[in-house]
Amino acid sequence: EPEVTQTPSHQVTQMGQEVILRCVPISNHLYFYWYRQILGQKVEFLVSFYNNEISEKSEIFDDQFSVERPDGSNFTLKIRSTKLEDSAMYFCASSIQGIIDSPLHFGNGTRLTVT
Amino acid sequence: DQQVKQNSPSLSVQEGRISILNCDYTNSMFDYFLWYKKYPAEGPTFLISISSIKDKNEDGRFTVFLNKSAKHLSLHIVPSQPGDSAVYFCAASETGANNLFFGTGTRLTVIP
Repeated sequence: EPEVTQTPSHQVTQMGQEVILRCVPISNHLYFYWYRQILGQKVEFLVSFYNNEISEKSEIFDDQFSVERPDGSNFTLKIRSTKLEDSAMYFCASSIQGIIDSPLHFGNGTRLTVT
Repeated sequence: DQQVKQNSPSLSVQEGRISILNCDYTNSMFDYFLWYKKYPAEGPTFLISISSIKDKNEDGRFTVFLNKSAKHLSLHIVPSQPGDSAVYFCAASETGANNLFFGTGTRLTVIP
């Protein structure tokens, strides 16, 4: 069965550094998402992306965050200047259609540790 | 903002018995609800969904019940199997939105 793949599985970075988290969504999916889960807390929505633009974003997704689909297969999340509180598990997801019409398929996540 | 709440952080059930996981929501605009299952070191996996026009949806051993007036939904697993041991997340969305609001999860342990 096709999968959403995320790299790296674990990223350690120093506060203030830029990080790029990478995702390869399922090939025929059109909607892409980033979520995160801080340890012990709920899974939180960051951003959704469709037709090469952001369709929705949460208040967490401030100017430090950006997303890009640089080619036909990758979907990236960039954090410009990481803070300690950015430490979390970041999940990429994709779906064929919007949330109401098709379930999200999640990757296994990237654990980001900011020191 | 706790728009979706799962008040039981954990649940233990004997193999073969019924597991009932509960979820409450506060946003009356939510009209689509999902359950996801998550194993350690993996992403959430879609399990079952229900739209607000229904009050029950069944898929094999899994049934989701929706009580709109109480803003409550539940997931029933019967019979429970050891492989069902995982964290279960309730999630909700509304028509026109393209995001999901997740609960904090309930860790289900099925005891052989």
